[in-house]
Amino acid sequence: DAGVIQSPRHEVTEMGQEVTLRCKPISGHNSLFWYRQTMMRGLELLIYFNNNVPIDDSGMPEDRFSAKMPNASFSTLKIQPSEPRDSAVYFCASSSGQGTDTQYFGPGTRLTVL
Amino acid sequence: AQSVTQPDIHITVSEGASLELRCNYSYGATPYLFWYVQSPGQGLQLLLKYFSGDTLVQGIKGFEAEFKRSQSSFNLRKPSVHWSDAAEYFCAVGPYGGATNKLIFGTGTLLAVQP
Repeated sequence: DAGVIQSPRHEVTEMGQEVTLRCKPISGHNSLFWYRQTMMRGLELLIYFNNNVPIDDSGMPEDRFSAKMPNASFSTLKIQPSEPRDSAVYFCASSSGQGTDTQYFGPGTRLTVL
Repeated sequence: AQSVTQPDIHITVSEGASLELRCNYSYGATPYLFWYVQSPGQGLQLLLKYFSGDTLVQGIKGFEAEFKRSQSSFNLRKPSVHWSDAAEYFCAVGPYGGATNKLIFGTGTLLAVQP
């Protein structure tokens, strides 16, 4: 049974470039979460979807960040333009959406912006 | 406001010794509580969770945690630590923010295991 799939696993880019991170949630899960993890700020929730609809994007740091979920099996997190302070590990997680159910995390994308 | 505190940033124990990782929370009602583990370069994996019922919860890899309402704590324990337990451990509480799925994560405790 495949877990949450994220791609790429590593991304190195230069400041000002557009970055797109991808996530495939566990089949049948209808809640999807994007987190960012840094040494300074720990694990932060960026945005949360339920049934493909963004429910809470209050954690998105600024307009350079955007997230979409065009269908139940795919989501993207885009940063345009990227900045060095965006360097972090970005995790996607999914859950069944039944109450506060367990969130299953992907392996993460390590982003480095030079 | 809802919050989670893991007072210990870094803990070192000897292999075979017992372990207790602390987690304190602030929450207006009975929370749902979780412990996750993150091995280097990996995502977070659920160790155990508490929703209701028995306040002593058993998890994977020989871990257990006890919910103590009076102390607002959910400490993680293991009687005998293995070298493979070296990882970072996160406590989480939810739901918050009016949504049923959002969790607050603590800042994590990094566990080192000495041979």
